[in-house]
Amino acid sequence: QQQVKQSPQSLIVQKGGISIINCAYENTAFDYFPWYQQFPGKGPALLIAIRPDVSEKKEGRFTISFNKSAKQFSLHIMDSQPGDSATYFCAASESYNTDKLIFGTGTRLQVFP
Amino acid sequence: GAGVSQSPSNKVTEKGKDVELRCDPISGHTALYWYRQSLGQGLEFLIYFQGNSAPDKSGLPSDRFSAERTGGSVSTLTIQRTQQEDSAVYLCASSLERASGEQYFGPGTRLTVT
Repeated sequence: QQQVKQSPQSLIVQKGGISIINCAYENTAFDYFPWYQQFPGKGPALLIAIRPDVSEKKEGRFTISFNKSAKQFSLHIMDSQPGDSATYFCAASESYNTDKLIFGTGTRLQVFP
Repeated sequence: GAGVSQSPSNKVTEKGKDVELRCDPISGHTALYWYRQSLGQGLEFLIYFQGNSAPDKSGLPSDRFSAERTGGSVSTLTIQRTQQEDSAVYLCASSLERASGEQYFGPGTRLTVT
């Protein structure tokens, strides 16, 4: 019930391409879905987040698509750049309950020039 | 402004020893969280503090783990009688208030138990 499943585990994309990472959840009480970006040796940094009242949120080259009925959400990185190479984590929380984030297992993205 | 800071950045300890990990949240943030990240794994919730409320300890893996938050600011995570499976990166995060959603992470403490 608490799991967030993330795929793929790793992703290789050419510069300028689109990177897509998918997550699925079971707990219908989740109401906050962030994506975090983590570089080696650093803590995760909030990239973009969405709440279930919208189906899509875009910030620059990063877009979250959210499908409430399917209990799935995804991160799209348009015009991927080598500087985007990092590990990406999806997460979910019941923000009006405990706030604790339940994380996916991460996707290692490599963008080649 | 200053972000979340953690110390030490690295800690090597012998099996059976106790360790203390420190977290300084962003000033004014009322919520503080501890997570654990094992090699190649996602982040695992450990404990959550919100103001003066009782902490949510539901993620602590055993009674060897404990945490406190003094004065609503600095937090210390203590692991007693460390085991090799405790080796991981311990991450602290803070947020302005509960239900705000946005958690800001520190750089973590890498714990190695030999």
